[in-house]
Amino acid sequence: ETGVTQTPRHLVMGMTNKKSLKCEQHLGHNAMYWYKQSAKKPLELMFVYNFKEQTENNSVPSRFSPECPNSSHLFLHLHTLQPEDSALYLCASSQPRGVNRDGYTFGSGTRLTVV
Amino acid sequence: DQQVKQNSPSLSVQEGRISILNCDYTNSMFDYFLWYKKYPAEGPTFLISISSIKDKNEDGRFTVFLNKSAKHLSLHIVPSQPGDSAVYFCAASPGGMLTFGGGTRLMVKP
Repeated sequence: ETGVTQTPRHLVMGMTNKKSLKCEQHLGHNAMYWYKQSAKKPLELMFVYNFKEQTENNSVPSRFSPECPNSSHLFLHLHTLQPEDSALYLCASSQPRGVNRDGYTFGSGTRLTVV
Repeated sequence: DQQVKQNSPSLSVQEGRISILNCDYTNSMFDYFLWYKKYPAEGPTFLISISSIKDKNEDGRFTVFLNKSAKHLSLHIVPSQPGDSAVYFCAASPGGMLTFGGGTRLMVKP
């Protein structure tokens, strides 16, 4: 365990379903991130939250909806996804913007398959 | 336009030999560089970092070299072990937010 916990680890959903991914950290970090990793592609930043406020939305389609109720929890709500949205979704946390010696701490990810 | 590039998608090395993973960047504002290691079905884990005021940082078998004039950094693993087989990502920061490269898959053969 890295200190960042993601649930579920695996998720299969139909294109008409609504599901949510959950991320939790108790490292005292105040910045949280959602990344997408598709096969043979770089890590794609999706959303950034600093002190519960969304500070970055990297042109993500509205079928992905993030929620950050507090600095320890981050959700990614999914609805009407497409098969090409199948990927590994990674959550990360860090200290807020500024020099950060250890970078981000990542969770183990949720492997999402859209059928 | 990718600001951080890892031009070799894969690398195969014999156990005991040196593994050299390379990374190039374009943004001269980057002042901190990190390497992450990722096993399948797991999130990336932090490996080693270097500040732009240094040109070398060493931690056990892992050494990161930074050539600012060439905007190039490399990760050396000596000696390579089968357990080092993973995908390695370099990342760069202009002061907090990280930009990742595409990753290099390292395979260390016994």
